[in-house]
Amino acid sequence: GEDVEQSLFLSVREGDSSVINCTYTDSSSTYLYWYKQEPGAGLQLLTYIFSNMDMKQDQRLTVLLNKKDKHLSLRIADTQTGDSAIYFCAEAFKAAGNKLTFGGGTRVLVKP
Amino acid sequence: NAGVTQTPKFQVLKTGQSMTLQCAQDMNHNSMYWYRQDPGMGLRLIYYSASEGTTDKGEVPNGYNVSRLNKREFSLRLESAAPSQTSVYFCASSPITRAEQYFGPGTRLTVT
Repeated sequence: GEDVEQSLFLSVREGDSSVINCTYTDSSSTYLYWYKQEPGAGLQLLTYIFSNMDMKQDQRLTVLLNKKDKHLSLRIADTQTGDSAIYFCAEAFKAAGNKLTFGGGTRVLVKP
Repeated sequence: NAGVTQTPKFQVLKTGQSMTLQCAQDMNHNSMYWYRQDPGMGLRLIYYSASEGTTDKGEVPNGYNVSRLNKREFSLRLESAAPSQTSVYFCASSPITRAEQYFGPGTRLTVT
């Protein structure tokens, strides 16, 4: 089945690290993505990880993938007020023609 | 490059009216998608076009039709708008070799 789940809300203090979690159910997924949506805007691709990787780092962003538990996380180091947004994880799998299945989104609020 | 563009940005319709949402991409992508985003429900796929000349239903196709006019353009039509179609509509595109999608800024539609 295709189901991607995320917690609804995360509050973090400016300068701290944020960790956003995502669980998925399809073990045949090929790529997993993180998108950011700022108010009134479309979704912006942040980063992605291949399903055969455990970790990917890109500047302040670290993606961790635990395939055994079907758990994906996005860590944002030194969180800034500009990081306040909704974050979506998404999985793609070849069996569905590489269509993306999105989680419901996690709203991150960064407090000064 | 403009990426993915959508028109109009905002629209108000009365129940029963029809309209077409336009989407165009200049990235030479093969696949294009239409999503709707409702509060608390994340993104739901309405229709997609894996390549020029093909279209397929997504998760919530009822009440909509699409046309892949050429490789660049993918339109979404509401023949008889209903209040349940009040939503934010996003168009996206992706290259044939990868699954990541690139999103337009969205169309905010209100049906009264």
